[in-house]
Amino acid sequence: DSGVTQTPKHLITATGQRVTLRCSPRSGDLSVYWYQQSLDQGLQFLIQYYNGEERAKGNILERFSAQQFPDLHSELNLSSLELGDSALYFCASSVFREGTGELFFGEGSRLTVL
Amino acid sequence: GQQVMQIPQYQHVQEGEDFTTYCNSSTTLSNIQWYKQRPGGHPVFLIQLVKSGEVKKQKRLTFQFGEAKKNSSLHITATQTTDVGTYFCAGRDSNYQLIWGAGTKLIIKP
Repeated sequence: DSGVTQTPKHLITATGQRVTLRCSPRSGDLSVYWYQQSLDQGLQFLIQYYNGEERAKGNILERFSAQQFPDLHSELNLSSLELGDSALYFCASSVFREGTGELFFGEGSRLTVL
Repeated sequence: GQQVMQIPQYQHVQEGEDFTTYCNSSTTLSNIQWYKQRPGGHPVFLIQLVKSGEVKKQKRLTFQFGEAKKNSSLHITATQTTDVGTYFCAGRDSNYQLIWGAGTKLIIKP
């Protein structure tokens, strides 16, 4: 158990809909990262927050947005969903803003868009 | 943008054979991390290498960081079924952002 909690574990929805994925980082971790992993693919970095502020942005679509709340949990909002958005979405947390910290991953939220 | 190339994409081995995956960056990395993702699981941190030329061992796993801090490798000796999964490298660039390799999937032949 990494200590990172993601909900929901599975989500099935239709094209055009909007969903919210939630992540609670490990206790004490200030950084939260979001990654997208399509079937049998690598990890695509979406966005990082540190202590409530956006720290770095990757290949995140304009239809996607995220935020980190004062209690450090984070939400990833995906809107106007397309079939290609079907993927496993991982949240990871780290103590550090940057530098040498390892990432602790949650078990992921599997999104299926029909 | 900056990339970390990881090869091979897949490696099929007989149980007991060795396995190696390589990562190469076009620019110098601050450090490099390795993660393992079991089938159906999430990435789990294995190790971090920081120093030029560093070599670290974890039982049958040997990790190396190149002298120029641009490449790294993971070698598994005498693979076992528990080694099955995808191995990712992730290098930190000069801005301390993690750049991920595409992963190498280790498959044990039946």
